Amino acid sequence: KQEVTQIPAALSVPEGENLVLNCSFTDSAIYNLQWFRQDPGKGLTSLLLIQSSQREQTSGRLNASLDKSSGRSTLYIAASQPGDSATYLCAVGASGSARQLTFGSGTQLTVLP
Amino acid sequence: ETGVTQTPRHLVMGMTNKKSLKCEQHLGHNAMYWYKQSAKKPLELMFVYNFKEQTENNSVPSRFSPECPNSSHLFLHLHTLQPEDSALYLCASSPGTLAGGETQYFGPGTRLLVL
Repeated sequence: KQEVTQIPAALSVPEGENLVLNCSFTDSAIYNLQWFRQDPGKGLTSLLLIQSSQREQTSGRLNASLDKSSGRSTLYIAASQPGDSATYLCAVGASGSARQLTFGSGTQLTVLP
Repeated sequence: ETGVTQTPRHLVMGMTNKKSLKCEQHLGHNAMYWYKQSAKKPLELMFVYNFKEQTENNSVPSRFSPECPNSSHLFLHLHTLQPEDSALYLCASSPGTLAGGETQYFGPGTRLLVL
């Protein structure tokens, strides 16, 4: 059974810092990996989707990497802003059942002005 | 309306009540999902529908009954729930291509409290 772990569970940084969020998964036979953002009491917003054949994806100040063999992904946020404060969730799509996403518990990020 | 909408946004019900959650997507997608998000726990997939057919049921208790009348609408019928069923229920949709693996788009969720 796939298990997804996100470290740290919470992170507080001053505005302007670059930061890295970590995600690890136990079964490397994945179809894809997604990073989502969730604001308090709200649904999820997809940030980046990395297919299993890809190594990284970039969108604006966000860069996500994927190392399937080691079961790891990172989300890099450059020049953090208070508006980046949210919970960031990593989700792994399984091979053979690509619509089944297994989520991590998330990293709660606070960017201090 | 755009994207994925869910109603109601908040619901309080007793254990003997029957209620329904509604999800509607305006994205032309063919796959729809129900997830449960409990405090301090990861999101749990409950059901998946693809082209109106249920393709996944992750051992969900029968007190949760999904219905997908068409590709745009998804319901979750609730009856005789337990307090531990209190959670945020999230609906999502995706294009539903045969290859799978596409981005899922989430609604804002229904916050359910069972007394």
